[in-house]
Amino acid sequence: EVQLVESGGGLVQPGGSLRLSCAASGFTFSGYFMHWVRQAPGKGLLWVSRISTDGGTTAYADSVKGRFTVSRDNAKNTLYLQMNSLGVEDTAVYYCARGYSYSDSWGQGTLVTVSS
Amino acid sequence: EIVMTQSPATLSVSPGERATLSCRASQSVGSDLAWYQQKPGQAPGLLIYGASTRATGIPARFSGSGSGTEFTLTISSLQSEDFAVYYCQQYNIWPRTFGQGTKVEIK
Repeated sequence: EVQLVESGGGLVQPGGSLRLSCAASGFTFSGYFMHWVRQAPGKGLLWVSRISTDGGTTAYADSVKGRFTVSRDNAKNTLYLQMNSLGVEDTAVYYCARGYSYSDSWGQGTLVTVSS
Repeated sequence: EIVMTQSPATLSVSPGERATLSCRASQSVGSDLAWYQQKPGQAPGLLIYGASTRATGIPARFSGSGSGTEFTLTISSLQSEDFAVYYCQQYNIWPRTFGQGTKVEIK
């Protein structure tokens, strides 16, 4: 069974940093592009970032470019999102999802709250 | 960036009735269109990809159609478990973009 389990969310002050993790199991993690998608409270879905199978290619939404860094450790079957210079607008549930085009598996999400 | 626009924002339907949801792209995405279902407190789940192909395990009452800029998700006979928010997403061009969602609620 495919499983994606996010962790690392929590309350952080504006300007702070947080690192999210997504532990993958039940499939060949190294064979899939991976994404981070976020959802602000009561809002829709927003694609945040993606990473290629070997981690060599990454892409970011304009709203997080220069502040967020996506990475992966295929030996540990884990995806990461390093988030720096967080603002209140980054408050959201962050999901990891697999797939180059559409995403057929999603984690349950981890809540990031940016507040003073 | 391709803008995806869904309509209506909210659809009130009685159980057993048909629901028709629309998604429009600001430019052609071919058939590179997916639909997701999200229930309260849950992650999105894939329903349809390639505009019309049901994902594994998705009941036949869900069907997708369209190409280019106009797409439709039809739920032929709404069941209680189908009341949720539905999102379309294009994957033709980066960045991947989602519609704002259509909430299907009980009438």
